[in-house]
Amino acid sequence: DTGVSQNPRHKITKRGQNVTFRCDPISEHNRLYWYRQTLGQGPEFLTYFQNEAQLEKSRLLSDRFSAERPKGSFSTLEIQRTEQGDSAMYLCASHSGGNYNEQFFGPGTRLTVL
Amino acid sequence: AQTVTQSQPEMSVQEAETVTLSCTYDTSESDYYLFWYKQPPSRQMILVIRQEAYKQQNATENRFSVNFQKAAKSFSLKISDSQLGDAAMYFCAYRRSSGANSKLTFGKGITLSVRP
Repeated sequence: DTGVSQNPRHKITKRGQNVTFRCDPISEHNRLYWYRQTLGQGPEFLTYFQNEAQLEKSRLLSDRFSAERPKGSFSTLEIQRTEQGDSAMYLCASHSGGNYNEQFFGPGTRLTVL
Repeated sequence: AQTVTQSQPEMSVQEAETVTLSCTYDTSESDYYLFWYKQPPSRQMILVIRQEAYKQQNATENRFSVNFQKAAKSFSLKISDSQLGDAAMYFCAYRRSSGANSKLTFGKGITLSVRP
């Protein structure tokens, strides 16, 4: 499978716990994006990597959120001290550069915070 | 900041009929890209069609076409000969044409159901 993959697909956690999600982009894509999608809403931009550099973070990304992309390959998104408001679908997308080019989305990780 | 508005939360169409999904956006940029993405239930989001703002000709992809009205900042999607597999959430999205960050700004989406 040469598409974008995300793990886990579902995560249920208790409030206050830390969670980490992983995204594996299409191998030749140097740009990687994280979005958050809540029920009834469209995806909202969280952060963006070009290779290993995190170049932009949304104001939605509070200090409890951290993202990394070591060696410009896979990326992780960690949420510390989860809150019920963090419950959402977290989507990853990769892109080969060039604003006309398509972003390819992963299946998402659905987080439920109890 | 750019905004994308999809004011119809749900639509329904009879199989083989035509349906139009509406989208409006707001931007101060003169050059940008617009997209329609499809998100089937429990499946990943896929690109349906894209339009470059500097092109006057409306984009078409098989049964899918757009009506791009730049002055009105309107970007509607027409699905012809609707099929059961077209049932999904559809999102309109905007992207700037300049800058390194190609992030997408999405509307709230519209749920399309197809009646057999």
